[in-house]
Amino acid sequence: AQSVAQPEDQVNVAEGNPLTVKCTYSVSGNPYLFWYVQYPNRGLQFLLKYITGDNLVKGSYGFEAEFNKSQTSFHLKKPSALVSDSALYFCAVRDRSYFGNEKLTFGTGTRLTIIP
Amino acid sequence: DSGVTQTPKHLITATGQRVTLRCSPRSGDLSVYWYQQSLDQGLQFLIQYYNGEERAKGNILERFSAQQFPDLHSELNLSSLELGDSALYFCASSGGRNEKLFFGSGTQLSVL
Repeated sequence: AQSVAQPEDQVNVAEGNPLTVKCTYSVSGNPYLFWYVQYPNRGLQFLLKYITGDNLVKGSYGFEAEFNKSQTSFHLKKPSALVSDSALYFCAVRDRSYFGNEKLTFGTGTRLTIIP
Repeated sequence: DSGVTQTPKHLITATGQRVTLRCSPRSGDLSVYWYQQSLDQGLQFLIQYYNGEERAKGNILERFSAQQFPDLHSELNLSSLELGDSALYFCASSGGRNEKLFFGSGTQLSVL
């Protein structure tokens, strides 16, 4: 079975400070990893994904994520937070070694609040 | 705009009733996924269709069913509704196995 854990329900960061939203995953094989963001009354929007290659993945709106296989983590980061980054963030995983498995399994979400 | 259209945006109904949620995927996307988002369960995968055929099944109740039509739009049918079925139901589409999902803005279902 595949799963992701987002250990923090809520993260508060001052505007201009670096931010990190944590995610760890569990798959039996090799993972595809994703980050999505959800703004109020909106659907989820894709931020970035890790398939293979560089462990540091760059995505939309200045976000990046670092894949760490030894720690089974895929933390989302941004060097300087903006108030507009305040939203609900979801980490997701798909086990790519499982043929026919195309579903994404999402974490419980982390609410990020950027304080002006 | 993700290109995925869900209707209706809001649905209010009573226990025991049946409703149908509709999803039109992005042009050209063959895969459609249904997810349920609730406060206590988070974002739960329900079911996936690929080009009209069921591809994967998640935590979907027997009271729920879905299908994908030849024009690739999909419908999620929820019957014998219970209070606990109140949630935000999302549809997503993708163009292939390794592609990202594009989500619609969801249907907010309230069962009273």
